This record gives sequence, C-alpha cells and structure tokens, in this order.
Amino acid sequence: ETGVTQSPTHLIKTRGQQVTLRCSSQSGHNTVSWYQQALGQGPQFIFQYYREEENGRGNFPPRFSGLQFPNYSSELNVNALELDDSALYLCASRGLAGQPDTQYFGPGTRLTVL
Amino acid sequence: KQEVTQIPAALSVPEGENLVLNCSFTDSAIYNLQWFRQDPGKGLTSLLLIQSSQREQTSGRLNASLDKSSGRSTLYIAASQPGDSATYLCAVDSGNTPLVFGKGTRLSVIA
Repeated sequence: ETGVTQSPTHLIKTRGQQVTLRCSSQSGHNTVSWYQQALGQGPQFIFQYYREEENGRGNFPPRFSGLQFPNYSSELNVNALELDDSALYLCASRGLAGQPDTQYFGPGTRLTVL
Repeated sequence: KQEVTQIPAALSVPEGENLVLNCSFTDSAIYNLQWFRQDPGKGLTSLLLIQSSQREQTSGRLNASLDKSSGRSTLYIAASQPGDSATYLCAVDSGNTPLVFGKGTRLSVIA
C-alpha cells in the first residue's frame, strides 16, 4: 500500500461524455502527476500539479484538464470522450517538485469508453 | 527527448531460474531510474530506485544495476517464483520532468 488512493476503480462511459477521476496523494506529498496507460503500453505523462498549479504537461489535448486542491488531492477531467481514451489512469504523488525521489502510484482507474 | 526501451517484451521461465530484465535509455543525463512491478489491471509498485550516483540497489531477491554512461539498467531476479509473474517496468527521472517509461517486460514463472 502506497497511501495513494484513486476513485472510482472502474468506469464505463460512452463517446462524447465527460468524466472526472479523483486521487488522494500520500500524506505530506504536494506534487501529483497523472499518467495514461493504454493496454500493453507504458504509462504516458498527462500533467503534473504542484501546490495547486499545473507545472508540466505531456502531449495531450486541452480536453484533458485537472485540478489540485489545498489538501493536495487532485482531479483529472476528460471532456468529449473518445474511444481511444479507454485506458488505465494512474496518479502518482511525491514530496517536492523537481526533487529526485520516489514516486508513489495509486491503484489506478480503469476507464472504458464505448 | 528521452526514450526508454525494455527487452525482452515477454519472458517465460521455469520456477527457480535466475533471470535478467534489460532497460536502455537514450539520454544519460538522469537523476534516477526506478523499477516497478505491475500486476494485471493494477497500479504500479515501486521495487527499486537507483540514484544516478549509484551503481546498484538490492532488495531481497532483486538486484538492479545502473550504467549511466552506456544508458543501461538491468533487473536481476534470483530464484524466481510463480508469485514473481507480473509486468516489470523501468522508468527514468531526468529531474524537473515526468517519468519516462518503457513498455515493460511481461514475466511468467512456471511452477
């Protein structure tokens, strides 16, 4: 157990809908990153939040957006869902942005878009 | 742009065998390299983290080495067990950048 929790565990949506995924970071960690993992692939970086500000973004369109709250928990929002958005979404937390330390991953949310 | 490659993509071995998983990366300017384990449909469990100044790290039957200059890391698993069956991912942290992952090696240990 890493102390990072995600909800929901599984989710089924239809194309065009919107979805919100949630992540609670490990206690004391102020940096949260989100990754998308398609089947058979390694995780791909979506974006990172540090103290409620986005401070890094991967090659994902604007319909992928996020928030970080004062308690450092985070949300990932995806609008206008597409079939290719079906994946495992992982969040990871660590202590200080830019510091080389271990990232702790949550169990993930499995999103299926029909 | 950092790229991470893992070889082999899949591996099947009999129980008790020692094995090596390989990870290579294109940019040697890294802060650390991390090995993860992933069970089917689950999240990532950190196994070992090697700082750029280190050559290896050990945890139980696992030993990870790092050769930064050649852009290579290996994960050695001794006396493999069926419970070791999982996908093993390596990820590179270049500092102030997100982790860059390989596609993983899917390991099956046959009893």
